Amino acid sequence: DQQVKQNSPSLSVQEGRISILNCDYTNSMFDYFLWYKKYPAEGPTFLISISSIKDKNEDGRFTVFLNKSAKHLSLHIVPSQPGDSAVYFCAARGGGADGLTFGKGTHLIIQP
Amino acid sequence: GAGVSQSPRYKVAKRGQDVALRCDPISGHVSLFWYQQALGQGPEFLTYFQNEAQLDKSGLPSDRFFAERPEGSVSTLKIQRTQQEDSAVYLCASSYFQNIQYFGAGTRLSVL
Repeated sequence: DQQVKQNSPSLSVQEGRISILNCDYTNSMFDYFLWYKKYPAEGPTFLISISSIKDKNEDGRFTVFLNKSAKHLSLHIVPSQPGDSAVYFCAARGGGADGLTFGKGTHLIIQP
Repeated sequence: GAGVSQSPRYKVAKRGQDVALRCDPISGHVSLFWYQQALGQGPEFLTYFQNEAQLDKSGLPSDRFFAERPEGSVSTLKIQRTQQEDSAVYLCASSYFQNIQYFGAGTRLSVL
């Protein structure tokens, strides 16, 4: 069973608009959440994270929101730029595991 | 180097061959992780080291998989008698204890 779910395999957004990527999780013991960005033939690159004791973290154009009661987090990118086109992975730490638990990823396409 | 380095970047093996994948973590990073990423999936945890101690190998799919980090720095993931289902990208990540994990570019293994 997937403990971290990204239900949208792909998302297309116009340049300059807001991109919203969603992630749901089932394990209430996760204590830290991360977003990674991945370009083809490269490894995942850390983007932004949030502790389970917070509900929002902002870093420049990127903001992550956490709704613990709904077991849901989202990544907002404003404004979206062509270089943001990549696969975005949601990952969670804790829940009894030493490694990160990843979703399947969302392919974000920024259209000019 | 500044980042996590993995070699080789690509490896083609005949079924039944043994392979060895190398990871050179960021200098000073105590923790080292190996993940397997199948096509269209998120990375899945294989094993975790803290310095030279392998603290968790629960994600290794079979006893054909073996990892070591003898001096607490470079790590090698060995796969014996490779099978077609072992074809995947193998990612290595390092972190300072359990903080943010930084990933290498991965080794793409193709078993024919």
